Amino acid sequence: EAGVAQSPRYKIIEKRQSVAFWCNPISGHATLYWYQQILGQGPKLLIQFQNNGVVDDSQLPKDRFSAERLKGVDSTLKIQPAKLEDSAVYLCASSLVYIEAFFGQGTRLTVV
Amino acid sequence: AQKVTQAQTEISVVEKEDVTLDCVYETRDTTYYLFWYKQPPSGELVFLIRRNSFDEQNEISGRYSWNFQKSTSSFNFTITASQVVDSAVYFCALSEAGRDDKIIFGKGTRLHILP
Repeated sequence: EAGVAQSPRYKIIEKRQSVAFWCNPISGHATLYWYQQILGQGPKLLIQFQNNGVVDDSQLPKDRFSAERLKGVDSTLKIQPAKLEDSAVYLCASSLVYIEAFFGQGTRLTVV
Repeated sequence: AQKVTQAQTEISVVEKEDVTLDCVYETRDTTYYLFWYKQPPSGELVFLIRRNSFDEQNEISGRYSWNFQKSTSSFNFTITASQVVDSAVYFCALSEAGRDDKIIFGKGTRLHILP
């Protein structure tokens, strides 16, 4: 069974630039999560989708971050404009309802 | 409020020693799920175990064991006869059944197994 796919693996951008991350969840998983993991910290939930609807985006900085899940499958997370403090690993995960989440390898973003 | 506390930031033990990673959680729900994940240096979060709130049986899987105690809101993880490959950051996580499957993570414990 294929796992959660994320791209790119690494991205370096200058502050105020825009960046987008892509996630393809495990087939059949209705729930999709985006987490932000700053170095030395635990993953912080940014947004959670159930199929193509947003369940929770309370910690998403909506003035600069946006996310969508097309047709309830793939998802894109965008940052515009990026700030230095956005440097982190962005993790995508997917799950069946009330089952453990499976994570992708993440995208390491460095904002300079 | 939904919260996970891993008080141990970093632990170092010598190979073959046993080590226990602590996890304390807070929840208002009676139905919830607890998880442990391992994050090796490669960065990917690897699922280890899931327990639901109605199942307090301890679980053993090879050198790994988990002790779930609702009375103390704890879900501790023990590695027996540790190996260098166990070196990683370990995260405890909580999901409340009434909170749309939202999974909240602790800050993690970095485990160093010294040869």
